[in-house]
Amino acid sequence: ETGVTQTPRHLVMGMTNKKSLKCEQHLGHNAMYWYKQSAKKPLELMFVYNFKEQTENNSVPSRFSPECPNSSHLFLHLHTLQPEDSALYLCASTRGTGTYNEQFFGPGTRLTVL
Amino acid sequence: AQTVTQSQPEMSVQEAETVTLSCTYDTSESDYYLFWYKQPPSRQMILVIRQEAYKQQNATENRFSVNFQKAAKSFSLKISDSQLGDAAMYFCAYRSARRPDSGYALNFGKGTSLLVTP
Repeated sequence: ETGVTQTPRHLVMGMTNKKSLKCEQHLGHNAMYWYKQSAKKPLELMFVYNFKEQTENNSVPSRFSPECPNSSHLFLHLHTLQPEDSALYLCASTRGTGTYNEQFFGPGTRLTVL
Repeated sequence: AQTVTQSQPEMSVQEAETVTLSCTYDTSESDYYLFWYKQPPSRQMILVIRQEAYKQQNATENRFSVNFQKAAKSFSLKISDSQLGDAAMYFCAYRSARRPDSGYALNFGKGTSLLVTP
């Protein structure tokens, strides 16, 4: 148990649906991240939040909309997705802004877009 | 952008034997950090070992050790006395030490799937 939880663990949605992924960390961390993990590709950074402020949007399409209401919670709102968006979405958090701080990952949400 | 290359999509090792997973990276920076992460079938990514670029001494964590060759930009992971529980995807990752705009996010390789046979 790394202290980072994600819900739901599995999600199947149609291209016209709207859904949200949730990430919660119980570690007192200040920075949170969304990564996309597709088969046979490196993990791709999507968004970074530091002290609730978005510090990076890695050229992610607008059909993905992040939200960070506080340092413990991170959401990824999904709408009008494409089949190629099917992937494992991982949330991670770190204690602070130091580069050496270990990133703790959640178990991921397996997303399938039909 | 820094790229991380893991040239071995799959590796196999017999229980109790030693295996080495390779990783190379491309960077123009002199200060950075390198990591090996393990992702078992349950999918929870966990940190195995990390190395600061300014340290010449190779990091070691129990049965896991690295061979860090800064000039060659190589960062291999050695697993000694392999156990069935070591079976997983292993990811090499790079983090810049001087890019606050990046939010200190990690650049990952594609991963190596390690199979451990009895």
